[in-house]
Amino acid sequence: GENVEQHPSTLSVQEGDSAVIKCTYSDSASNYFPWYKQELGKRPQLIIDIRSNVGEKKDQRIAVTLNKTAKHFSLHITETQPEDSAVYFCAAQAAGNKLTFGGGTRVLVKP
Amino acid sequence: DTGVSQDPRHKITKRGQNVTFRCDPISEHNRLYWYRQTLGQGPEFLTYFQNEAQLEKSRLLSDRFSAERPKGSFSTLEIQRTEQGDSAMYLCASSPPAGPTEAFFGQGTRLTVV
Repeated sequence: GENVEQHPSTLSVQEGDSAVIKCTYSDSASNYFPWYKQELGKRPQLIIDIRSNVGEKKDQRIAVTLNKTAKHFSLHITETQPEDSAVYFCAAQAAGNKLTFGGGTRVLVKP
Repeated sequence: DTGVSQDPRHKITKRGQNVTFRCDPISEHNRLYWYRQTLGQGPEFLTYFQNEAQLEKSRLLSDRFSAERPKGSFSTLEIQRTEQGDSAMYLCASSPPAGPTEAFFGQGTRLTVV
């Protein structure tokens, strides 16, 4: 089955700096890669996603890149703000089946 | 439609008791997922329904766990003979028929087994 590895597990950045989170996946059939943000005590919420026919996608301060050959994808947050502090999860999905999640990255943005 | 709803939000039970959780997905979403999340970890897949058919069940799931989606709408997750290790947040998510696409999560049911 699919296995998703996520790094780093914690990330501390200064407000205004960039944050990068990296994930690798094992199943070459995976074709959908969402990123979720989870604040303490709340549900995971989608912040950006990418499909396998696209190499990069950007939405304001957030961007995701996908390298299908290497089976890795990354989340980039620019100009970080205190409200970006949360746990971020990457996930991979093949053919509309289950989402397999990474272990999460706790991001702390220091003012 | 206000999104995926789960009931109850919190459940405290004694070890050995049975518990049942309910999930109401977003209407017209035919795919429904159950996940378990422990503190500091990513959501762990439990089971997946497409309409009323249970298409996949995690091999990690013991036979004390069972899920149903009898009419392809709401779903229930039952845990029999609860153990302390079952304490976790149980998350339900749903997604529309056309995929791949976003899975929308409910608020979860936090289970504490004492």
